[in-house]
Amino acid sequence: DVKVTQSSRYLVKRTGEKVFLECVQDMDHENMFWYRQDPGLGLRLIYFSYDVKMKEKGDIPEGYSVSREKKERFSLILESASTNQTSMYLCASRYPSGRFSYNEQFFGPGTRLTVL
Amino acid sequence: DQQVKQNSPSLSVQEGRISILNCDYTNSMFDYFLWYKKYPAEGPTFLISISSIKDKNEDGRFTVFLNKSAKHLSLHIVPSQPGDSAVYFCAAIITGTASKLTFGTGTRLQVTL
Repeated sequence: DVKVTQSSRYLVKRTGEKVFLECVQDMDHENMFWYRQDPGLGLRLIYFSYDVKMKEKGDIPEGYSVSREKKERFSLILESASTNQTSMYLCASRYPSGRFSYNEQFFGPGTRLTVL
Repeated sequence: DQQVKQNSPSLSVQEGRISILNCDYTNSMFDYFLWYKKYPAEGPTFLISISSIKDKNEDGRFTVFLNKSAKHLSLHIVPSQPGDSAVYFCAAIITGTASKLTFGTGTRLQVTL
């Protein structure tokens, strides 16, 4: 069964703290993604990685960085958390996309991060 | 620039009736479209998809229609059930190895008894 897990379901941090969000997939997928979901804004892509040690900026990368040292693990780092980074963070993975297949992304359960 | 738009933030439908969720896109290079369903405090789950070479795809109670000339797709749920109450996101992609999904802002569907 397809599985994407995220290290925490709920997290509370203080402004200025360094925050690590971990994501692990067991499907041998090459592509991995980090999104945040905010009311009225939908899912916005922060960063993605199409292979180990590869990373690409998404639509809203400011204030975030990522790490992909192993194929199954993709970490999102908030170098200095701010209150406007309070959000639901979602990780996803996928095989490389194709014309008629492999476009489906599998999502983890999400991490609700609150920055005080 | 919102390339994928869901103009209805919410929709309420009676149980047993048809739910129609709409999605518009602006980028004519998109060649594959997906619908995801999301319950509160859970990650989105894939529902149904359609390639740009088709105009309809059906899976049980769910049917997606694609009108390429209008750059419009819709998701039909027939009959609607209370368990269908969730937020629905449409997404589009230009297929390729390193391509990414572009999501709409979501429509909250409530199916009432």
